[in-house]
Amino acid sequence: QKEVEQDPGPLSVPEGAIVSLNCTYSNSAFQYFMWYRQYSRKGPELLMYTYSSGNKEDGRFTAQVDKSSKYISLFIRDSQPSDSATYLCAMTLKAAGNKLTFGGGTRVLVKP
Amino acid sequence: GAGVSQSPSNKVTEKGKDVELRCDPISGHTALYWYRQSLGQGLEFLIYFQGNSAPDKSGLPSDRFSAERTGGSVSTLTIQRTQQEDSAVYLCASSLVATGSNQPQHFGDGTRLSIL
Repeated sequence: QKEVEQDPGPLSVPEGAIVSLNCTYSNSAFQYFMWYRQYSRKGPELLMYTYSSGNKEDGRFTAQVDKSSKYISLFIRDSQPSDSATYLCAMTLKAAGNKLTFGGGTRVLVKP
Repeated sequence: GAGVSQSPSNKVTEKGKDVELRCDPISGHTALYWYRQSLGQGLEFLIYFQGNSAPDKSGLPSDRFSAERTGGSVSTLTIQRTQQEDSAVYLCASSLVATGSNQPQHFGDGTRLSIL
């Protein structure tokens, strides 16, 4: 079993809908949680960066962390075709060189 | 400002040849990371540098893989005697100081390596 599980999708939604993404993890020592967006043939682009349980909002993006359930989520409001990409969750320990452990990524398609 | 720069963007080589991949981090970022992204394995950590030293090499898959960093800036990942299973996208990331605090990592667009 992988340390971080993420549904590979694809997740297809109509333009304007809310996109809901999530990851579960097994290592309770993870402290920092990130969401990256990756377009085809590009590197991952940092979207959200959170520490501790709770919600964080940035524009159309909301990240949620529930450490008690080892579950993180990303919501994208008013989705646009330009949001079509692969979304990767990542997490890291507080120390240990801060290397990231990634989920496998969810492919999202927003249809006009 | 300039992001993480990687070269070449694409590399095709024959099995058994050596390859060198280059990463130029964001200016002022002292921490540098190499990852590998392949279809079957997703995105996996290879090695991280703090300055010119590499405290964690735990992700390097075999002794054919090595990396160095000079001047606290540019890093080179070298793969010797390449094998077909080395085909993947090699991604570099950098961040502000890694020890004592956690800083987000910013990625380059990677080098797409194909071994024939």
